[in-house]
Amino acid sequence: GAGVSQSPRYKVAKRGQDVALRCDPISGHVSLFWYQQALGQGPEFLTYFQNEAQLDKSGLPSDRFFAERPEGSVSTLKIQRTQQEDSAVYLCASSLKTIVNTGELFFGEGSRLTVL
Amino acid sequence: DAKTTQPNSMESNEEEPVHLPCNHSTISGTDYIHWYRQLPSQGPEYVIHGLTSNVNNRMASLAIAEDRKSSTLILHRATLRDAAVYYCILRSTYNQGGKLIFGQGTELSVKP
Repeated sequence: GAGVSQSPRYKVAKRGQDVALRCDPISGHVSLFWYQQALGQGPEFLTYFQNEAQLDKSGLPSDRFFAERPEGSVSTLKIQRTQQEDSAVYLCASSLKTIVNTGELFFGEGSRLTVL
Repeated sequence: DAKTTQPNSMESNEEEPVHLPCNHSTISGTDYIHWYRQLPSQGPEYVIHGLTSNVNNRMASLAIAEDRKSSTLILHRATLRDAAVYYCILRSTYNQGGKLIFGQGTELSVKP
């Protein structure tokens, strides 16, 4: 049984380049979340999808960050004109239920982005 | 979202019980208490959750104070594989989509 799959696992970008990070959630999971985790910190919420609808993007740090989930399964997080402060691990999580208090979130291993 | 407070780090000896505390004095009546842990170089993983009563599962036990202002995650016999950052998180009914708001967590080290 496949878990949440993220690619690439490691990405090195030059400052100013655009990057795209992919998340394959567990099949059938309705909810999908993106998090950003800086070194030594806890994960910070970025955005949330319920199926293809992006219901919460309050955590996106700037308009350089954009996420989509056009068919309600695979999601892509795009960062335009990367800057050094974007260096972090980007985590994707999915959840089967939309019951907000109790449904377990399943996390991928993350994509580590290094901006030089 | 209500906030939790955890010690930055704790140490344990292998095969001994570990009690990881969490304070959440501003918890509301509909907040569930969740624990996740993050092993090195991995994404967080679910450990346990509860509302009012103590809970047990194959990984751990969760003891919730009667006033719900604090809780304790109990690992009954720590192993080297339990070395991780443990996050105590409150999850609200009114929290869009049930997103988890992580704090700094407690870094648990286990000595052989």
